Amino acid sequence: AQSVSQHNHHVILSEAASLELGCNYSYGGTVNLFWYVQYPGQHLQLLLKYFSGDPLVKGIKGFEAEFIKSKFSFNLRKPSVQWSDTAEYFCALRAGNNRKLIWGLGTSLAVNP
Amino acid sequence: NAGVTQTPKFQVLKTGQSMTLQCAQDMNHNSMYWYRQDPGMGLRLIYYSASEGTTDKGEVPNGYNVSRLNKREFSLRLESAAPSQTSVYFCASSEAPFPHEQFFGPGTRLTVL
Repeated sequence: AQSVSQHNHHVILSEAASLELGCNYSYGGTVNLFWYVQYPGQHLQLLLKYFSGDPLVKGIKGFEAEFIKSKFSFNLRKPSVQWSDTAEYFCALRAGNNRKLIWGLGTSLAVNP
Repeated sequence: NAGVTQTPKFQVLKTGQSMTLQCAQDMNHNSMYWYRQDPGMGLRLIYYSASEGTTDKGEVPNGYNVSRLNKREFSLRLESAAPSQTSVYFCASSEAPFPHEQFFGPGTRLTVL
């Protein structure tokens, strides 16, 4: 069965630290991958997405993610986090022509000023 | 441009009561979705509507019904609420069915006693 794993459930960083949140999926075919973010008290919103082409995807607010097919991974990175990056981050997968997204359980990020 | 709106924001029900969660979008999107979010379970798709006039079951449709009233509105009905339906409910919309970006509403926090 297709699944998405986000191994880090809670991450605490200081401002200016580098961030990498892990996302691994299980599916052997074509995938579309997404990272969504939910800031405290706000809607879920799209950070970035991978459909095809360049495996290094850049998103909003300085975030990027790299699709590594051989590792079934789509890790989210940011070189220097800010307090305003405190949020919950969700990785999601569309496997093949499946008509639904499969969501990870989320990673809660707290950035200390 | 309000995006995706949901009403109510909070609701407390007694077991067996019924209620309808309302969702509307003003982005002229064709597809709409209802999710529930539970601790440790991530986001799970309840129902979706790929286009006006169509609805399909998601992962966890039992105990729910939906109506795609028109292109803008997609409601979720709990006919006989159960404590297991205590959750946060999110409505989302997208220009077209997966894998397009989904835009989320602010959520409805429902407690069933």
